[in-house]
Amino acid sequence: SQTIHQWPATLVQPVGSPLSLECTVEGTSNPNLYWYRQAAGRGLQLLFYSIGIDQISSEVPQNLSASRPQDRQFILSSKKLLLSDSGFYLCAWRQISTDTQYFGPGTRLTVL
Amino acid sequence: SQQGEEDPQALSIQEGENATMNCSYKTSINNLQWYRQNSGRGLVHLILIRSNEREKHSGRLRVTLDTSKKSSSLLITASRAADTASYFCAPGRRDDKIIFGKGTRLHILP
Repeated sequence: SQTIHQWPATLVQPVGSPLSLECTVEGTSNPNLYWYRQAAGRGLQLLFYSIGIDQISSEVPQNLSASRPQDRQFILSSKKLLLSDSGFYLCAWRQISTDTQYFGPGTRLTVL
Repeated sequence: SQQGEEDPQALSIQEGENATMNCSYKTSINNLQWYRQNSGRGLVHLILIRSNEREKHSGRLRVTLDTSKKSSSLLITASRAADTASYFCAPGRRDDKIIFGKGTRLHILP
């Protein structure tokens, strides 16, 4: 069966510090991978999606970046965090045969 | 890609009552999915309905799809406290990215 992991679960970072969030998927190969951000009480904003290694599309211009160094690993990064980067970050993979997305447990980021 | 818009934004009902939430979208789709998000958690897939289907059931969930009106509804029957969550629709086309709306926040009152 497939599982998706995210870490860390929570993170408190000062403004201007770097960020690295990691997402890994097990039990499937060549998945489509997605990063979403959810502000408090709001909907999900699609940040990045990837259909393969080093194939990443950015949806919203921002100070975040994403990388996919391995087939089942997706990393969200920032060189300098802003207060507005606070939120709940969700990684997801998509099962192409069913068009269904499966989400990780999320990382709650607070930038102070 | 396209985004679904859920309505209402928030809904409070008594436990045991039925809850209905709606979704509208703008372009043609292959399918439409509904997801649930409990507070502070990731989204969980509930049900998928294909564009050639009009109604689908899964346990206490009933989903309808009207492609002529570009709308879908999710009905939860005999609501329970555990149904308190946010619900999102995701209209989709194969090989396209899924963009979520703001969701409907459902609160089941004891």
